[in-house]
Amino acid sequence: SQKIEQNSEALNIQEGKTATLTCNYTNYSPAYLQWYRQDPGRGPVFLLLIRENEKEKRKERLKVTFDTTLKQSLFHITASQPADSATYLCALPNQAGTALIFGKGTTLSVSS
Amino acid sequence: GAGVSQTPSNKVTEKGKYVELRCDPISGHTALYWYRQSLGQGPEFLIYFQGTGAADDSGLPNDRFFAVRPEGSVSTLKIQRTERGDSAVYLCASSPRSTGTESEAFFGQGTRLTVV
Repeated sequence: SQKIEQNSEALNIQEGKTATLTCNYTNYSPAYLQWYRQDPGRGPVFLLLIRENEKEKRKERLKVTFDTTLKQSLFHITASQPADSATYLCALPNQAGTALIFGKGTTLSVSS
Repeated sequence: GAGVSQTPSNKVTEKGKYVELRCDPISGHTALYWYRQSLGQGPEFLIYFQGTGAADDSGLPNDRFFAVRPEGSVSTLKIQRTERGDSAVYLCASSPRSTGTESEAFFGQGTRLTVV
């Protein structure tokens, strides 16, 4: 079965810096990958989707890359703000194509 | 409604009891998912409904867990003979179509189940 690893459980950065979160996966090649944000006591909220034929996707201060050779996605938040503090989850479709499989998440803390 | 609604928000039950967790998806969403999330972990897939039928129930941990969606909208997750290990946040998500077709998932706020 596929495995997803989000390398850092916690990431602490200063306001204004760029946060970079890593998602690695094994065992198969998904057609796309999604990133979600989760705040304490809330359900995950969709942020971005990137397809296997797209190297990079941007949305406002967010940028996602997808390297199918390395089996890795990087998620960047530029000019980070304290309001960006949350847990970020990467998700891939399972091989049956019926559901998303989530990583453990990386908790980002942005200090002012 | 405006989003996915889950009731109750919190449920405390005694070991061995039966519980039902309810999910009201976004109107018109044909795909519905149940996930379970333990502290410090990502959501773990349990079951996927497409319309009224369970299209994939491979994530249900054992036969104490069962879910229904009789009219293709509201779903109920049922847990029999609860165990302390069942304590977690149970998340429901809906989608216009299967997330296997790139569709994003819209999550509810979850039901926090505590088995004492």
